[in-house]
Amino acid sequence: DSGVTQTPKHLITATGQRVTLRCSPRSGDLSVYWYQQSLDQGLQFLIQYYNGEERAKGNILERFSAQQFPDLHSELNLSSLELGDSALYFCASSLPTGTGLHYGYTFGSGTRLTVV
Amino acid sequence: AQSVSQHNHHVILSEAASLELGCNYSYGGTVNLFWYVQYPGQHLQLLLKYFSGDPLVKGIKGFEAEFIKSKFSFNLRKPSVQWSDTAEYFCAPDTGRRALTFGSGTRLQVQP
Repeated sequence: DSGVTQTPKHLITATGQRVTLRCSPRSGDLSVYWYQQSLDQGLQFLIQYYNGEERAKGNILERFSAQQFPDLHSELNLSSLELGDSALYFCASSLPTGTGLHYGYTFGSGTRLTVV
Repeated sequence: AQSVSQHNHHVILSEAASLELGCNYSYGGTVNLFWYVQYPGQHLQLLLKYFSGDPLVKGIKGFEAEFIKSKFSFNLRKPSVQWSDTAEYFCAPDTGRRALTFGSGTRLQVQP
């Protein structure tokens, strides 16, 4: 157990639907990162939140959004799902360093999304 | 823009063989460097990291990596691989400017 909790572990849904993935960071970590892992795209950074505020955006589609709540858990919302959105979605968390550089990320076990 | 290259996409070795996986990054400033491992069906786990000091860093499970600043490289090595090292390995330079950018990964297959 890494300390980062992701739910659900598996999700099967139909095209056009909307889903919400949840992540609870490791205790003490303020930053949450969302990554998408697929066979053809590898590990793609989607978005980062730090202490409730959006900090950085990566290759996140407009159909996707995220937020971080006061208790620091985060949710990734995926809407108008397409077959190509099928992937593993990982959440990671990290400690603040004050320098911008990281000590390293702790990853959750991921949510495997299958769009049919 | 910063980038990272892992030139070996798929490596097949026999047990007890030596391993070296290449990682090159493009960024001229201060950088932290990480190697992560993803065992089949699992999440990414930190294997080792370099922040400063001795450019030869040791990680878990007998892995080590050498930071060569002049070559912008951070290659991962292990003298003798085991079947349990079968996994995908990701290099990630951290420039402090955004979230970690992971390389495309190297799939290591160790044959018994």
